[in-house]
Amino acid sequence: VQLVESGGGVVQPGGSLRLSCAASGFTFSTYAIHWVRQAPGKGLEWVAVISYDGYNTYYADSVKGRFTISRDNSKSTVFLQMNTLRSEDTGVYYCAKGSSGNYFDAFHFWGQGTMVTVSS
Amino acid sequence: EIVLTQSPGTLSLSPGERATLSCRASQSVSNSYLAWYQQKPGQAPRLLIYGATRRATGIPDRFSGSGSGTDFTLTISRLEPEDFAVYYCQQYGSSPLYTFGQGTKLEIK
Repeated sequence: VQLVESGGGVVQPGGSLRLSCAASGFTFSTYAIHWVRQAPGKGLEWVAVISYDGYNTYYADSVKGRFTISRDNSKSTVFLQMNTLRSEDTGVYYCAKGSSGNYFDAFHFWGQGTMVTVSS
Repeated sequence: EIVLTQSPGTLSLSPGERATLSCRASQSVSNSYLAWYQQKPGQAPRLLIYGATRRATGIPDRFSGSGSGTDFTLTISRLEPEDFAVYYCQQYGSSPLYTFGQGTKLEIK
């Protein structure tokens, strides 16, 4: 199992960024995928999840209405479109998955993360 | 939303000692859907325990989890030098909303 995030960088407040999570080593289309973030020196915060088929998505209240999670099963990739970025969105963004296909599962596998910095 | 409170914030111990980390939930965690993660500086979190008591693949048996309802514990029986890190608990029972505790830093005394 491998999860590889990309797309991080520096963006001004109010700007947008799209993160990608490229997956391999498992049947991608049968697993929900999560995004989790970590502000510098802080703890972990779950951000969003997308169902295996892309029809169901859920978000943390802190990003609802600003972030959109999507997936392309033909490319084994999950995306996180981040709009109206704020300084408090700064941090490392990880994608993660469980060992089963359902929501009631711990995060058994993690990517290495991609850094997002929101600053003027 | 379930709030998880971890204690202590920092734990100072020596290699070979026993570590006991606590995680308390603001309401009962369904089906003991409680996990523990270890994170070292510059690395992604690593799953240690899921289902409150089940060790993840490749995790040494010095790590064990216990508890149910609102009170959970991670125990490291004999600390190895590589165990000094930050530990997080997480509930995944009120899915699809997931919450983490604030973390316990385990440092070398």
